[in-house]
Amino acid sequence: GAVVSQHPSRVICKSGTSVKIECRSLDFQATTMFWYRQFPKKSLMLMATSNEGSKATYEQGVEKDKFLINHASLTLSTLTVTSAHPEDSSFYICSAPVEFPRRLSGSETQYFGPGTRLLVL
Amino acid sequence: AQRVTQPEKLLSVFKGAPVELKCNYSYSGSPELFWYVQYSRQRLQLLLRHISRESIKGFTADLNKGETSFHLKKPFAQEEDSAMYYCALSVHFGNEKLTFGTGTRLTIIP
Repeated sequence: GAVVSQHPSRVICKSGTSVKIECRSLDFQATTMFWYRQFPKKSLMLMATSNEGSKATYEQGVEKDKFLINHASLTLSTLTVTSAHPEDSSFYICSAPVEFPRRLSGSETQYFGPGTRLLVL
Repeated sequence: AQRVTQPEKLLSVFKGAPVELKCNYSYSGSPELFWYVQYSRQRLQLLLRHISRESIKGFTADLNKGETSFHLKKPFAQEEDSAMYYCALSVHFGNEKLTFGTGTRLTIIP
């Protein structure tokens, strides 16, 4: 089936630095990708929708200047956490709906990345 | 705004016993409902969606619009069913932006 990768899988950084997380669709094109954030023992919260060739759409309460999203190509979206602080420590997950080729298997229409664990010291 | 509620954070069931993971939603329109599963150290993956009406790994879920529920059921639990289960909702068919519940950790007792 289709695969979505994320890099890095985990990152530790100092407070005040910026961290970039990549999300790639490996064998399909994705004009849209979603970025989620998962707090410990909590649900996944949608942060933003990444759109290839246009600006990302952010959910209410998500700071767009804090979480910069760039959808550089049909297979790559990046999330940059700028001036990271300890409260930004979390598990970040991306997902990509299957658009082309369509419906590679069964009723699966969206594939999730493995997640990136960010720890800000 | 839409919301998904999974009232049980933890659920333990003996092997061979029936399983039911509860999910309720609130949305004024006609949403699409999903169940996602996350096995230990693996990524989130789709278990089933209500429009498919499929039975995956013995699991079924019926959308009850009157009760706004989408409970996940399996008649006989297996050890490999131990995982984290998330109920999710999408308000636009074809748009995969999802609202997730808080998840239920299912543990199957041998």
